[in-house]
Parts: sequence; structure tokens; C-alpha cells
Amino acid sequence: DQQVKQNSPSLSVQEGRISILNCDYTNSMFDYFLWYKKYPAEGPTFLISISSIKDKNEDGRFTVFLNKSAKHLSLHIVPSQPGDSAVYFCAALPQGGKLIFGQGTELSVKP
Amino acid sequence: EAGVAQSPRYKIIEKRQSVAFWCNPISGHATLYWYQQILGQGPKLLIQFQNNGVVDDSQLPKDRFSAERLKGVDSTLKIQPAKLEDSAVYLCASSSHMNTEAFFGQGTRLTVV
Repeated sequence: DQQVKQNSPSLSVQEGRISILNCDYTNSMFDYFLWYKKYPAEGPTFLISISSIKDKNEDGRFTVFLNKSAKHLSLHIVPSQPGDSAVYFCAALPQGGKLIFGQGTELSVKP
Repeated sequence: EAGVAQSPRYKIIEKRQSVAFWCNPISGHATLYWYQQILGQGPKLLIQFQNNGVVDDSQLPKDRFSAERLKGVDSTLKIQPAKLEDSAVYLCASSSHMNTEAFFGQGTRLTVV
């Protein structure tokens, strides 16, 4: 059973436009979420996180939104840059520290 | 601050052979994780250590996989014997404690032929 789902395997966006990556989860007990970015042949790198006590967290060009009632979160990248092209993983971090990842969305930002 | 170190970067073995991977976490990080990432999927936790104790190994195929972190610092993951479906990237990660973000190494890409 997939507790964290990223239903779009890929997304293509023009440079300078907004990228929106979506993530859904099934367990209402999850209260902390993270986004990781992964380039080929490298490990995932932490990007941004959000706690369930917030509905928005912003860090530069990256903003994560959390809708607890819909069990949905999204990552917005504005403006998108070619260097943002990578695979983005959404993850839930329940108590106990076991990250549960989605399948990933491959973002391609075209110049 | 040095990141999580893993070796080797790549490994090709025949099925039924054995293989071992090594990980050195970020200095001072008490929690260490091994993840398996199959192509097209997200990383899946195999085992989680807190210092030298196992916290969660519920998804580790214990008939063929083993892992240890004897001194609470570096760790090894072993597969014996390997199967074709073990072909994946094996990622090691560490965190300062259990409920904070984890930092990943570059991974070891294993190909079983």
C-alpha cells in the first residue's frame, strides 16, 4: 500500500514559469513532510519541510503548501530554472523517524 | 562538514554471489538508515539504527540481507546470496536524531546479472 503518492511521474515547464509538484498521503496521523531533490547518480538532498501546524512554508523560490483536510501537499517553484531539473520526492516523516517516500516526479525545466 | 560517505559507487555481481556496502554517516549523527531505491520508485527503508541498536528492520529481507553498526558509527549492509531483483541503488542516510530530516549519501548502484 502506497501511503505517499505522487501521481505525476513527469512534469515539463518553461524556464521562468511556475512548477507545481503534487503529493497525496493516506494516513491522517502524518504530521511532518519533506521534499527532496535528486539529480542522476547522486543521493536525494533535502529541500524544504513543513509541519502540520502550518499550511505554508517558504524558502526562497520554493514554497510548500499543506492541505490537511485533503491530505495533500504541493511544492511550488517560482521562477523555475533549468538547474531545477531533477526528480523530486515527497516524503512523510512519522514519529520514529522512518521516512516514507512517494514515487517521485521528474521535473524538466526547458530554457 | 563532511557528508554521508558510501562505497563502492557501483557494483556488478552475478546472481547468487555476495556483496557488501559501507557507509560512514555525518559525524555525531546517531540515526543511520539504509534505503533501497529501485528504478522508477521512491526509496524504501530497509533498516534504521539508533546508535548501534536496530530501531526498524521490518522491511529487510532477513533471509539474504544483513546489516550492522557495531560501534554506533559506520555501517555495512550485506546481501548473500544476491538475486536479480536486488538490482537497485542502495542509499545510506543519517540524521542527528530520529525525527529530523535525513541527509543522504550518493548511493551504491548494484547490478545483479
